[in-house]
Amino acid sequence: QLQLQESGPGLVKPSETLSLTCTVSGGSISTSDDYWGWVRQPPGKGLEWIGSAYYSGSTYYNPSLRSRVTISVDTSKNHFSLKLSSVTAADTAVYYCAKWYSSSVGKYFDYWGQGTLVTVSS
Amino acid sequence: DIQMTQSPSSLSASVGDRVTITCRASQSISSYLNWYQQRPGKAPKLLVYATSTLQSGVPSRFSGSGSGTDFTLTISSLQPEDFATYHCQQSYSNSFTFGPGTKVDIK
Repeated sequence: QLQLQESGPGLVKPSETLSLTCTVSGGSISTSDDYWGWVRQPPGKGLEWIGSAYYSGSTYYNPSLRSRVTISVDTSKNHFSLKLSSVTAADTAVYYCAKWYSSSVGKYFDYWGQGTLVTVSS
Repeated sequence: DIQMTQSPSSLSASVGDRVTITCRASQSISSYLNWYQQRPGKAPKLLVYATSTLQSGVPSRFSGSGSGTDFTLTISSLQPEDFATYHCQQSYSNSFTFGPGTKVDIK
């Protein structure tokens, strides 16, 4: 059974860079139909897709965050990472890593990590 | 960007009730619409993909329908474990967007 687990600091100072890693276990990150990405949820609010990456290096980002986001995949460690620069209090959220499966009938997030709360505060 | 809306934003229902949640896209997304269930403090869980295909293990009381811009998620007989927030998500473009969510709570 595939499992995803987020890790990283729970507190980040304003203007700094938020860095999170998602470790994948129970399967390979190099599977052809799988993409790896991040979704966040501010307290009491809805879900926001941040971006996704393919093991080969292709990336897709939310246009509203593109200038500040980098997602990368490390196949040797079977994990992928998120960097979000110049954070503000508006970036405080639970951050989920998730696997996006690309099928003939569509794309969907079929596996999720448990989520990690990141607070932006001095 | 494709904007997603949901109605209602919340509803109260009783065990055994039939519940319908609506999701609308700002442009046609064909059938590229997914539904997720999120219980408090938990990660979202995929319920339905491609408008009407139930994810493995999802009870048959859940069903999805629609096409183009208008979609519905129906729970035929609400069970205690179904009290949660439901999110729709479009995958028509590679810039995914979610609806704001519909919270289903106990009447």
